[in-house]
Amino acid sequence: DTGVSQDPRHKITKRGQNVTFRCDPISEHNRLYWYRQTLGQGPEFLTYFQNEAQLEKSRLLSDRFSAERPKGSFSTLEIQRTEQGDSAMYLCASSLAGLVETQYFGPGTRLLVL
Amino acid sequence: TQLLEQSPQFLSIQEGENLTVYCNSSSVFSSLQWYRQEPGEGPVLLVTVVTGGEVKKLKRLTFQFGDARKDSSLHITAAQPGDTGLYLCAGVQGAQKLVFGQGTRLTINP
Repeated sequence: DTGVSQDPRHKITKRGQNVTFRCDPISEHNRLYWYRQTLGQGPEFLTYFQNEAQLEKSRLLSDRFSAERPKGSFSTLEIQRTEQGDSAMYLCASSLAGLVETQYFGPGTRLLVL
Repeated sequence: TQLLEQSPQFLSIQEGENLTVYCNSSSVFSSLQWYRQEPGEGPVLLVTVVTGGEVKKLKRLTFQFGDARKDSSLHITAAQPGDTGLYLCAGVQGAQKLVFGQGTRLTINP
């Protein structure tokens, strides 16, 4: 299967701990997006990369959040000093840059901060 | 703050009935997409509409983009239990950033 994969699928952590999530996009896709989805809501944009460059960050992405895509392939999203409000599903999507794109979403990482 | 408002947020109907879900915004989008999401999974794209007034059909699903490219609708004919799920509309802004509505949770009862 060559779809978008995310790891881990579930993460339970205690408040104040750091967590890191990984996203492996579809191999030929040059754009990679991170979204956050809380219960009962649609996904909200966090940030996106074109190749290894982080081109846009949402104001939702506080200083405790950092995302990288060092070689333009996989990406990591780190949350430092987690808070209970960080509990959500973190979705990754990838696409091939073009006039009308299709973003392919991974299964998400569900984070629970106790 | 959601720029896209979906209605209704919840809908439960009997198998065989028709339904329409609406997606409205005060903003203009370059295109609008509809996704379906199953529990514990990421959204899966159903359709992209680009041109104002465009209508696309996907079997029993009909999607329409408003003339001003600010709103859209999804109509399902003769709903089946397999149509149950969370339906999300998403407007495309800027460099393909998606702005999602809050979703419509649809339940089709046998």
